[in-house]
Amino acid sequence: AQTVTQSQPEMSVQEAETVTLSCTYDTSESDYYLFWYKQPPSRQMILVIRQEAYKQQNATENRFSVNFQKAAKSFSLKISDSQLGDAAMYFCAYILPGGGADGLTFGKGTHLIIQP
Amino acid sequence: DTGVSQDPRHKITKRGQNVTFRCDPISEHNRLYWYRQTLGQGPEFLTYFQNEAQLEKSRLLSDRFSAERPKGSFSTLEIQRTEQGDSAMYLCASDYSGANVLTFGAGSRLTVL
Repeated sequence: AQTVTQSQPEMSVQEAETVTLSCTYDTSESDYYLFWYKQPPSRQMILVIRQEAYKQQNATENRFSVNFQKAAKSFSLKISDSQLGDAAMYFCAYILPGGGADGLTFGKGTHLIIQP
Repeated sequence: DTGVSQDPRHKITKRGQNVTFRCDPISEHNRLYWYRQTLGQGPEFLTYFQNEAQLEKSRLLSDRFSAERPKGSFSTLEIQRTEQGDSAMYLCASDYSGANVLTFGAGSRLTVL
């Protein structure tokens, strides 16, 4: 079974600074997708960024970018120019093409605090 | 289309009662997932439908849990004889085959007294 590990239960960053959230995963598959989801206090899970494992180029969405290291099974999220609205739980997740038997497998999350 | 809708948003019940949650996915999405999330944890997979067929069920889904998606559109998740350990947020998500991007609803929070 696939597992996703987020080793940072909580991270804190000053507004306008850059922060990196870590994620590692374990799989024997070569084709899969990785995601970062954001869950603000309202609890709605929102997609932040997606990475296809077959693409070497790291995904970027505005202030959010990833560092995908396939051999190391590492998938970190970098948030540049942090804003107060970025405060939330961030979940790293994995899915096989076609959804797989378990859909998304999530890590336990990282609570991101933005200090004004 | 306003996204994935879940109802009710919050349900408080007494132990032993039955509860039912409803999920309306995005209309063109043929796959629908149920997850359970307890405080401080990531969501855990419960079950998955493709159209009206329930293709996978987690070991977390005990005999007291049942899910349906009768016409391949909305889905219901019923919990019979609720226990305090069932208290959690129940999340629904949907996508369409080949997209591999799940869209989540706001969740239904269950509190069992």
